[in-house]
Amino acid sequence: AQKVTQTQTSISVVEKTTVTMDCVYETRDSSYFLFWYKQTASGEIVFLIRQDSYKKENATVGHYSLNFQKPKSSIGLIITATQIEDSAVYFCAMREINSAGNKLTFGIGTRVLVRP
Amino acid sequence: GGIITQTPKFLIGQEGQKLTLKCQQNFNHDTMYWYRQDSGKGLRLIYYSITENDLQKGDLSEGYDASREKKSSFSLTVTSAQKNEMAVFLCASSMGGTSAETLYFGSGTRLTVL
Repeated sequence: AQKVTQTQTSISVVEKTTVTMDCVYETRDSSYFLFWYKQTASGEIVFLIRQDSYKKENATVGHYSLNFQKPKSSIGLIITATQIEDSAVYFCAMREINSAGNKLTFGIGTRVLVRP
Repeated sequence: GGIITQTPKFLIGQEGQKLTLKCQQNFNHDTMYWYRQDSGKGLRLIYYSITENDLQKGDLSEGYDASREKKSSFSLTVTSAQKNEMAVFLCASSMGGTSAETLYFGSGTRLTVL
């Protein structure tokens, strides 16, 4: 069965620095997709970035980048030059290519506080 | 762009009551989902639907019914509310068809059972 684990419950950083959060996953498939979503204080959840398991290059979108270590089943999210509005809960998620019914499995989330 | 509208935003029910949550999307997406979010437990899939009149059970379907009578709407029914239950129910949609697609979420319905 799919499983996604985020061990860091909360992280606090100073504005304009870099924050890194961890995510490890379990899957029997050789091909899968990994996602990071952000939930703001208002409850809104938005997609941030995706890594395709068959791609060796780490995905990057704006000031978000991924540290994909396939042998370790790890997909870390890195946010550089953090801003106050990056304060949110970040969810890691995975979907296997042959996922029955397109099922997306989420981790429990990491709460990030960016302070002035 | 599109939007996902969930109603109501807040729902207070009594133990044993049947409660219905509604979700509308104007993305013209094929697939819609209902997730439940409890504190410290992430998002868990209750039901999803890949097209009108289709229903698929997720990991948490027991105690819930769902209905997809139109492509744009997906409703969820709590068949018998549990006392002291508190959770946020999130509706989402996606284009449908590929595993790489992303989900778009509504702002949630916060349920409290007295």
